[in-house]
Amino acid sequence: NAGVTQTPKFQVLKTGQSMTLQCAQDMNHEYMSWYRQDPGMGLRLIHYSVGAGITDQGEVPNGYNVSRSTTEDFPLRLLSAAPSQTSVYFCASSYRTYGEQYFGPGTRLTVT
Amino acid sequence: DAKTTQPNSMESNEEEPVHLPCNHSTISGTDYIHWYRQLPSQGPEYVIHGLTSNVNNRMASLAIAEDRKSSTLILHRATLRDAAVYYCILGDQGGKLIFGQGTELSVKP
Repeated sequence: NAGVTQTPKFQVLKTGQSMTLQCAQDMNHEYMSWYRQDPGMGLRLIHYSVGAGITDQGEVPNGYNVSRSTTEDFPLRLLSAAPSQTSVYFCASSYRTYGEQYFGPGTRLTVT
Repeated sequence: DAKTTQPNSMESNEEEPVHLPCNHSTISGTDYIHWYRQLPSQGPEYVIHGLTSNVNNRMASLAIAEDRKSSTLILHRATLRDAAVYYCILGDQGGKLIFGQGTELSVKP
């Protein structure tokens, strides 16, 4: 199993550009989520999904969209990048909603 | 969402036990207590979780107070590889994990 994979590892965007951060898992997990981590801070939940076709907002959803068309993939879209979205983004998945979550290696995003 | 309170930092000596405390006085009856750790430049790694009873696994033990308002993560013999930020998190049954600042554990040889 590859576990949770994220692409790209690094990305630099200009203000106003859009992009999609990819997240995939091969463990047949129903629950997936996206977090962001700013320097020196803990992680903050952006969006999550309890299964294909079902998504919901976390703590800091503004400026981000998600969709879940398959169990394996959970992409995060930045609609119009802003410098405040400079952060490290982590995707996670778990078999049960309250169980052990597996985190990906992260995508480091810089918006100039 | 219920919050947790942890010390900002702790120090330990290698091969000694480490007790990492966490207060969660507003915990609800259905909240699970989760512990994750994060090494520099890596994603968080699951350590342990529990609901009411004490839990043990190969990495650590979790001691939960009888009133569930506090818990302690126990690393039985700290190694240099255990130096990390440890997060105590309350998670509802819907899976939302709300991270706090965590405790930065340093391990001295």
